[in-house]
Amino acid sequence: EDKVVQSPLSLVVHEGDTVTLNCSYEVTNFRSLLWYKQEKKAPTFLFMLTSSGIEKKSGRLSSILDKKELSSILNITATQTGDSAIYLCAVESNSGYALNFGKGTSLLVTP
Amino acid sequence: DVKVTQSSRYLVKRTGEKVFLECVQDMDHENMFWYRQDPGLGLRLIYFSYDVKMKEKGDIPEGYSVSREKKERFSLILESASTNQTSMYLCASTPGQGSYEQYFGPGTRLTVT
Repeated sequence: EDKVVQSPLSLVVHEGDTVTLNCSYEVTNFRSLLWYKQEKKAPTFLFMLTSSGIEKKSGRLSSILDKKELSSILNITATQTGDSAIYLCAVESNSGYALNFGKGTSLLVTP
Repeated sequence: DVKVTQSSRYLVKRTGEKVFLECVQDMDHENMFWYRQDPGLGLRLIYFSYDVKMKEKGDIPEGYSVSREKKERFSLILESASTNQTSMYLCASTPGQGSYEQYFGPGTRLTVT
């Protein structure tokens, strides 16, 4: 059975800190891994990763995939209160249409 | 911009009622999905559809059915609502099979009393 595990489940940091969120997976016929940010409404897309070792970057956020370790990390540097959200990791396989989501990491950035 | 809309943001229904949740996307996407999201459980797939009139069960289809009569619209039906179906329901769509991000609607928070 496909599995996506995120850690930690929740995290509280101070503004300016750097955080690393983890996602590990066991998926048959891996195709891609996606990161989403969810505030009070629908998840919004952050990154899609398909190739190992290539970092994707957007401002203070970056992510990298390690296919050998079956994992990915999402880094946020110089955190701001607006980064407070649930961060979702999802994995897509070649054998299906749907994404398999982890339970999410709830991040709270305090002033 | 892709737009996925859902018919209601908040809905309150009574146990035993038949409930319809509607989702519409405006980008001619092939695939549409219904998830429910509960604290501590993440997003769980209920049903998805990869073409008009086609549907596939997800991980938790029990108590739900779906309808896709037109490409842009995907409906989730709770035949007889129960309190354990109180949840946030999210609809999503993608252009086709492949490495495409899923575009999500704003969600419907359903409370069954």
